[in-house]
Amino acid sequence: EVQLLESGGGLVQPGRSLRLSCAASGFTFNNYGLSWVRQAPGRGLEWVSALSGSGATTYYADSVKGRFTISRDNSKNTLFLQMNSLRAEDTAVYYCTKDYHWNGLYHSDHWGQGTLVTVSS
Amino acid sequence: EIVLTQSPGTLSLSPGERATLSCRASQSVTSNYLAWYQQKPGQAPRLLIYDTSRRATGIPERFSGSGSGTDFALTISGLEPEDFALYYCQQYGSSLRTFGQGTKVEIK
Repeated sequence: EVQLLESGGGLVQPGRSLRLSCAASGFTFNNYGLSWVRQAPGRGLEWVSALSGSGATTYYADSVKGRFTISRDNSKNTLFLQMNSLRAEDTAVYYCTKDYHWNGLYHSDHWGQGTLVTVSS
Repeated sequence: EIVLTQSPGTLSLSPGERATLSCRASQSVTSNYLAWYQQKPGQAPRLLIYDTSRRATGIPERFSGSGSGTDFALTISGLEPEDFALYYCQQYGSSLRTFGQGTKVEIK
């Protein structure tokens, strides 16, 4: 059974940084792309970032490009999202998702339960 | 960036009725790479349909997807009580994936 467990969320001041983690199990980790999707309170889904199975290719939404960095540690089956220069509009539940394919360009076929990030002074 | 517009915003139907949800793209979706997700309150989204019309593992046959180019639809043929939820479309034909704003299917 595929399991994705996010951690690292919390309350952070504007302009500060936060690092999210996602521990994965139940599939061959380095064979699949992974993504982050967020959902602001009471709002819809917003795709944030994705990367390929090797981690060599990454993709970002314009809203986070230059501030967020996605990465993975295939030896520890873990996905990361380094979030810098946080803004109030980054407040959301952040979901870790497993992609259907290796290249990081497909849909998400499994989702974690999410971790809440609140950016506020 | 491809903008997806879902309609209607809310669909009020009774159990047993047929639901048709629309998703329109601002430009053609490459290879019809369009997915549908269901989300219930307090839960993570769940994949229903991918590649426009392929059902994900474990998804009942009453869920079907159709369309091509810029116009796509999700049909639920006979609403069950557990189908009342939020539904999102997503395109992944571009390296910048985007979601629609969602359609809420509520009990009439």
